[in-house]
Formats: sequence, C-alpha cells, structure tokens
Amino acid sequence: LAKTTQPISMDSYEGQEVNITCSHNNIATNDYITWYQQFPSQGPRFIIQGYKTKVTNEVASLFIPADRKSSTLSLPRVSLSDTAVYYCLVGAYTGGGNKLTFGTGTQLKVEL
Amino acid sequence: NAGVTQTPKFQVLKTGQSMTLQCAQDMNHEYMSWYRQDPGMGLRLIHYSVGAGITDQGEVPNGYNVSRSTTEDFPLRLLSAAPSQTSVYFCASSYGGREVYNEQFFGPGTRLTVL
Repeated sequence: LAKTTQPISMDSYEGQEVNITCSHNNIATNDYITWYQQFPSQGPRFIIQGYKTKVTNEVASLFIPADRKSSTLSLPRVSLSDTAVYYCLVGAYTGGGNKLTFGTGTQLKVEL
Repeated sequence: NAGVTQTPKFQVLKTGQSMTLQCAQDMNHEYMSWYRQDPGMGLRLIHYSVGAGITDQGEVPNGYNVSRSTTEDFPLRLLSAAPSQTSVYFCASSYGGREVYNEQFFGPGTRLTVL
C-alpha cells in the first residue's frame, strides 16, 4: 500500500489560495490519487481524483507531477466554510482487497 | 434518494454488552465498508464487502462482525463491547468496478461510548 504524508495543519485567510501537498513516494502504476474533505461530526466527502497531470472541478484542482510521487490539492479563494480536515488517499480499488487508509489528514483553518 | 443512512446516531453501552450498528444505502452500490475514527485520527477500515454474501477484514477487525445478506444493508455487530471501542463509526458505499477507484459515499456516523 502506498503510504501518504501530509502536513498536520495549515492556516489561511479568506480569499487566499491554499495548496496542500501530499507525498506518496511508493505509489503503484495502477494507483489513483483521491482527496476527501471532512467537517466536524460528518463523514468524509469526495473532492477530487486524478491519475496524472492536472484535474480541475468546480471545487478544487489537483496537480500531479510526471513522477507521481506527490500531489497538490489547490483550493482557490478559500472561505470560512472550507475549514475542515483534508485527506489524501492513494490506491487502485475502493475495496476488494485494497485496504485504503485515510491517515490523519491536514487540518485547514481559514480565518477572516 | 437518501444516500447512506446509519442508525443510531448516538449510543452508550456498558462493557460486555452487544449491539448492532445499522447501515443502509439506496444507490445500488456494490461495495460497502465500515470505518472507525478515534479523536484526532484518521479513519481506519474495520470490515468491507464487495457484494451480497461477500465480506472481508480490514485493518482493525477484532471485536466486530459483519454480514451482507442484501445489497442495501451492511450491519456491524459488536460482540462484547469494550471501552477501547469508544469511537465514531462511519459506513461508506461505492459503485464498485474492480479496476477503477470509485468515490465513496459516507453516512453521518454513529457516536458510540462504551463505559
């Protein structure tokens, strides 16, 4: 299983762009990179997923360099409501033998 | 479309008691999983199922049993509750597709306290 490393916490202010980097040095060829967001007292929520290069949706962008040993989640113009824990996951399957782990995530705190 | 539902939302047990946490999904998802989340920690996989009648152990299966008799339901049973099982339990489901990672949809969680 690919192990991931993320910063424990990050602070930002409203309107700024936030970049959270995840290291996954032993990522396998079939592995995807997926990010989840979790608010207090709620289950995690899928944000974005990618395999290589750049992926963008209405919420975030995901940058993956050619060697795929790291990835960066980019949140444009954050607001107070983006305060949450962000998890980086690496794996090939949702289940069925690939026991994905969430790790401790990155606690993002957005202030005025 | 209710998504993933879990009951109860809160539960207090005494050491040695047994109980079942309920999880249901109405999205016809093939995969379902149970996770526990302890304070300040990420989610750890307890058990998962890749379809009705098929279950397997995750990272921390001891003290828990599961079964999957229908596509919709995936109950988690605590056989003899211990204080170490005090945690928040999340159920998740996903479409499946063994060669592609699919988005997991999580329930609201059950907060369990074992005294």
